[in-house]
Formats: sequence, structure tokens, C-alpha cells
Amino acid sequence: KQEVTQIPAALSVPEGENLVLNCSFTDSAIYNLQWFRQDPGKGLTSLLLIQSSQREQTSGRLNASLDKSSGRSTLYIAASQPGDSATYLCAVKGTYKYIFGTGTRLKVLA
Amino acid sequence: EAGVVQSPRYKIIEKKQPVAFWCNPISGHNTLYWYRQNLGQGPELLIRYENEEAVDDSQLPKDRFSAERLKGVDSTLKIQPAELGDSAVYLCASSFTQGGSYEQYFGPGTRLTVT
Repeated sequence: KQEVTQIPAALSVPEGENLVLNCSFTDSAIYNLQWFRQDPGKGLTSLLLIQSSQREQTSGRLNASLDKSSGRSTLYIAASQPGDSATYLCAVKGTYKYIFGTGTRLKVLA
Repeated sequence: EAGVVQSPRYKIIEKKQPVAFWCNPISGHNTLYWYRQNLGQGPELLIRYENEEAVDDSQLPKDRFSAERLKGVDSTLKIQPAELGDSAVYLCASSFTQGGSYEQYFGPGTRLTVT
């Protein structure tokens, strides 16, 4: 059974710092991995999707990497801003469905 | 392009009452998902539709929950009767799964409070 873990559960950083969020999964037989952002009281916004054959994806200040063999993905946020404050969730897709982690709650201090 | 639409956004009901949630996916998306998200947790899949067929409903509590997706477009999730433990956010998502993308797009969710 696939299990997805995100560490740390919460993180506070000063504005301008580069930071890394971690996602680990127990079953490497995945189809893809998707990173989301969730603002309080809102739905999930897709940030990046990495197919199982890919090593990384980039969008603006965001870079996501995938290492299937070690069961890990990282989300790198460059030059963090207060507007980046949110909960970040990763979701791993197996044969049929996505399994979500519990998220990392990020706070960027001005 | 309109995103995934859900209604209502909030619902407060007493236990044992029925409740229904509605979702309209992104136009052209053939796959629709219903998730439940408890406070401080990630979403958990309740049911997944491919067009109008429910292909994964293993996590749906079938004694009280039901869902339908008529004509393979919008969908309704119903709870009858509601219990206190059903208080959560119910999220709908859709994706276009021909061609292998499977990227999910979420609606804003319905926050259910059962008193």
C-alpha cells in the first residue's frame, strides 16, 4: 500500500530565502507525481506535474525533482515571498489513483 | 476557461439529515474525482469516474454515501443520513486522461459541518 510522507509538517522562513520541501513515497511504481498549493479555505492549485520518466520540472521560481528509485521528490522554491505562504501537498499516482501526503505548511515572513 | 465549479461552498446541517454536493468539471475532462479532506490531512479519494462509469469507489462508505455522474459531465455526491464524523471539506477534481497527462484540477470545495 502506497504511503506518502511530507517533512517538515511546518516551516517558517524569512523572505528571500531559497527552500526545499520534501515528499517521500514507499512504492516506486508510480505513474506521476503532482505538487499542489492550498491556501486556507480554498481548493488545491496544481503547481507542477512530473511524469515517471522525467527527473524534474520547472515553472518560474519553482523546481520539482523526482527520484523514483529512492522514493523521493523535492520542491525547490527560489527567493521566497510572503505570497508563497500556503500548504504544499504532493500526490503520487499509482495505477489508478492519487495518494496525497499531509502537506507542509509554509510561512514566509516579511 | 472556467475551472472546476462546486456548490454549495458551505453547508451546515444537523446529524441524520441528508446533504448533496454538486460538481461541474472543466469542459472536456473525462475523469472526475470526489475527495474528502479532514482538517490537517491530505485529500482522500472517495470515488473516481471515467466518463459516466464509476471505476474506483472502494473508499466510498456505501451505506450512506452515493454518487452519480449522468451523461459523463457534472456529478452529485450525496450523504444520507449525515453523521458528525462526516464534517470535512469535500473536493471535486477533474482531469483529461487520454494521452497520459492525468493532471488534476480542483474546485474550491464544499465545507460541510454536521452538528
